[in-house]
Amino acid sequence: DQQVKQNSPSLSVQEGRISILNCDYTNSMFDYFLWYKKYPAEGPTFLISISSIKDKNEDGRFTVFLNKSAKHLSLHIVPSQPGDSAVYFCAASGLSNTGNQFYFGTGTSLTVIP
Amino acid sequence: NAGVMQNPRHLVRRRGQEARLRCSPMKGHSHVYWYRQLPEEGLKFMVYLQKENIIDESGMPKERFSAEFPKEGPSILRIQQVVRGDSAAYFCASSRLDSFNSPLHFGNGTRLTVT
Repeated sequence: DQQVKQNSPSLSVQEGRISILNCDYTNSMFDYFLWYKKYPAEGPTFLISISSIKDKNEDGRFTVFLNKSAKHLSLHIVPSQPGDSAVYFCAASGLSNTGNQFYFGTGTSLTVIP
Repeated sequence: NAGVMQNPRHLVRRRGQEARLRCSPMKGHSHVYWYRQLPEEGLKFMVYLQKENIIDESGMPKERFSAEFPKEGPSILRIQQVVRGDSAAYFCASSRLDSFNSPLHFGNGTRLTVT
């Protein structure tokens, strides 16, 4: 039962253009959403997050948008740089009777073409 | 500036042997999570622990796998009688106790190869 879905396994973007990565979730009880970036042979690195009380959070070139009614979030990277080429995972979190659990999507591999 | 420390980085075991993976959380973090990434797949939750307590082990295979987070020392993920299908990257992450809107911080993983 995949509660967090990333339907695009890969994305290619020209350097300087905008990269948009999408993520959908099914559980309306999730209240905290995160994006991670992962290079090969390394662990995921936290990138940016957003609480369910907001619909946008921005940090430099990275902006996360949350649409609660659609249960959808997206990560915008602008301008995209070759060093952004990595696998991006979205994650969702919420309190349950088993504590604070985090659910991850299957990842989107971003390639930024110089 | 110690982040989440996992060791070993690479572990090779023959079928039937035991694998022990260790994880030291970030300083001040009291929650530990273990995830597994199979080749070409995403991160699959395995288990979530606090000191001396398993909070959620719903992602752990029913047999051969166990985890602990003792009062002193690192968290240990133990796989007994390993099989080829256990070959994967195992990631540990930690988070703070005092804030539920606090991100997970990951280690660099242990890559287990079963021959």
